[in-house]
Order: sequence, then structure tokens, then C-alpha cells
Amino acid sequence: SQQGEEDPQALSIQEGENATMNCSYKTSINNLQWYRQNSGRGLVHLILIRSNEREKHSGRLRVTLDTSKKSSSLLITASRAADTASYFCATNNQGGKLIFGQGTELSVKP
Amino acid sequence: NAGVMQNPRHLVRRRGQEARLRCSPMKGHSHVYWYRQLPEEGLKFMVYLQKENIIDESGMPKERFSAEFPKEGPSILRIQQVVRGDSAAYFCASSGDRGGNQPQHFGDGTRLSIL
Repeated sequence: SQQGEEDPQALSIQEGENATMNCSYKTSINNLQWYRQNSGRGLVHLILIRSNEREKHSGRLRVTLDTSKKSSSLLITASRAADTASYFCATNNQGGKLIFGQGTELSVKP
Repeated sequence: NAGVMQNPRHLVRRRGQEARLRCSPMKGHSHVYWYRQLPEEGLKFMVYLQKENIIDESGMPKERFSAEFPKEGPSILRIQQVVRGDSAAYFCASSGDRGGNQPQHFGDGTRLSIL
């Protein structure tokens, strides 16, 4: 079964607003990664956060990790129409393979 | 540097035929992963290969599916005697390390349609 569960499944916001997506997982992890997928394309890596890290930033992206609750969140600040995409969390447990969540479909309206 | 290259981008097969999907990893990467994505779903791991070795095939169906990553040339995912349920997008990713401590870089996928 899929390791990660994400919510919401779909999120629609106006340009300039912040978008928050959450991810929960079930087993221990080495790291957690967030990816973005535009329609018809492959996945683009956004951020990797290790199990001993609690927060990480990259530009307008902020990722948090709470290993006690087995959850992570991705915050996109000041969203743009170009941020419209599906966002996936994926967990890694030192074996190389990634276990993906079902994804959040983000729509940013101009 | 070229990214992960997959071909073909679209592949149409009739039931019972064979499908061959190719993946060339990023330059310098020796670790290749194959994932399958059904419509409206996340990616599901299929197999992890390093040059000439299968490291983890826990996500591969027991029959009809095979994968290889030869010393020379691209990685190949082969599906024999395809059925309608094989219709999906198949993504290849590569990385530079074995332990998953580096991000995986994905190709744009092969969309397989079974008539």
C-alpha cells in the first residue's frame, strides 16, 4: 500500500495566497522528498528533508517534518499561476526506492 | 547536461504484443528506478537497478514484466503479452547514490496505451 497520504487532494487558491499541503506516512524514514508534476510531464524535485531535520527552505518553499507525528507539510508562499501542478511527497527508507503519496492537485487562479 | 531521457514518449500496442520502454539516465548516474503511474494516482515503485544488477524488484509484477540495465546502453523495461491493465505512464528516474540520500531525477515518461 502507499506509504504517504496527502491532503487536501485538491486545492484552489488565488494568485498571491499561500498554499499548504500535508503528507503523512507510516514507517520510519531516512528522508522525505517533495516533487512537483506538471500535466503530461515527469516529476521535478523540489526539496529533500532528512529525518534529523525539522524545517527546510528553498525560495518560496518551506517544508517541515515532524517524525513523532510521521507528517510533513509543504508551504508555497505568494503563489503564482505557474505554480499550478500536482505535488507529491515521497519517503525513502535507505533502500533507494521512493514511496509516493497520492498527491495534491494545486490550482492557482490569476 | 542532458537529463533523464525516455523513449518513446507514447507507445501504442495491441493486446498480446510486447512493449519495450527505454531509459538513459543522467550522465554520471548509475542507479535507475522505474515507476508506474495510473491516471489520477501517485507513482508506484517497480524496480531499482544498478549497472548489470537488479537491486530491488519488489514492485514488479511476477509475470510478463522484466527490466535490465546493461553495461552499455539504456535501461529497458519490457512487458510481454500486454493487457489493457498495463495502460499507464511509466517513469524512469536516476540518481548518483544507492542510499536514497540524493534526489532522483525523472524523465518525462512513456505513456503506454493498449488497444
